[in-house]
Amino acid sequence: QKEVEQDPGPLSVPEGAIVSLNCTYSNSAFQYFMWYRQYSRKGPELLMYTYSSGNKEDGRFTAQVDKSSKYISLFIRDSQPSDSATYLCAMTTGGTALIFGKGTTLSVSS
Amino acid sequence: DGGITQSPKYLFRKEGQNVTLSCEQNLNHDAMYWYRQDPGQGLRLIYYSQIVNDFQKGDIAEGYSVSREKKESFPLTVTSAQKNPTAFYLCASSTLTGSGANVLTFGAGSRLTVL
Repeated sequence: QKEVEQDPGPLSVPEGAIVSLNCTYSNSAFQYFMWYRQYSRKGPELLMYTYSSGNKEDGRFTAQVDKSSKYISLFIRDSQPSDSATYLCAMTTGGTALIFGKGTTLSVSS
Repeated sequence: DGGITQSPKYLFRKEGQNVTLSCEQNLNHDAMYWYRQDPGQGLRLIYYSQIVNDFQKGDIAEGYSVSREKKESFPLTVTSAQKNPTAFYLCASSTLTGSGANVLTFGAGSRLTVL
């Protein structure tokens, strides 16, 4: 079993839809969870990070962590064509190199 | 503006040649990283350095070498020993947040193609 599993998609939704992106993991020692967005041929940029379990909201984006299920999610409300990108989850035990999922490619059509 | 500069953006190499990818940061971050990204493979760690003059191998270090002589610079050499070097290479740096999260900032990447 890989440490971090992420469905690669592609995921296609119409503009305005609510998008749910997910990752599962196997290492219960992970404490810090991050979501990066990567546009084509660009470097990833940090969207959100959370510590331990719970929710965190930032504008149209909400990150959820369920440590008991080893499951994290990123929700995008009112999705826009500009949200079309690859979304990478990443996690770490703290102070060490991040472990990344393979990324989910999202396409939002107008 | 603070950030990470990678160069060149595109690079073509003949088989058997070594090439060096540059990575410079002005974020005053202590740690720097090199990742390789292939389609369907996600990001795989090549090398990382948490302090000047020290670095550690990541998951796929074979065929690569690095140096960390200055805090701002972490160049990656792709040697002729790397059997499949065509890929997108990403440099990153990090510092610990107040909560202890190791948040990475990435450069724009360098795309290497072996002819």
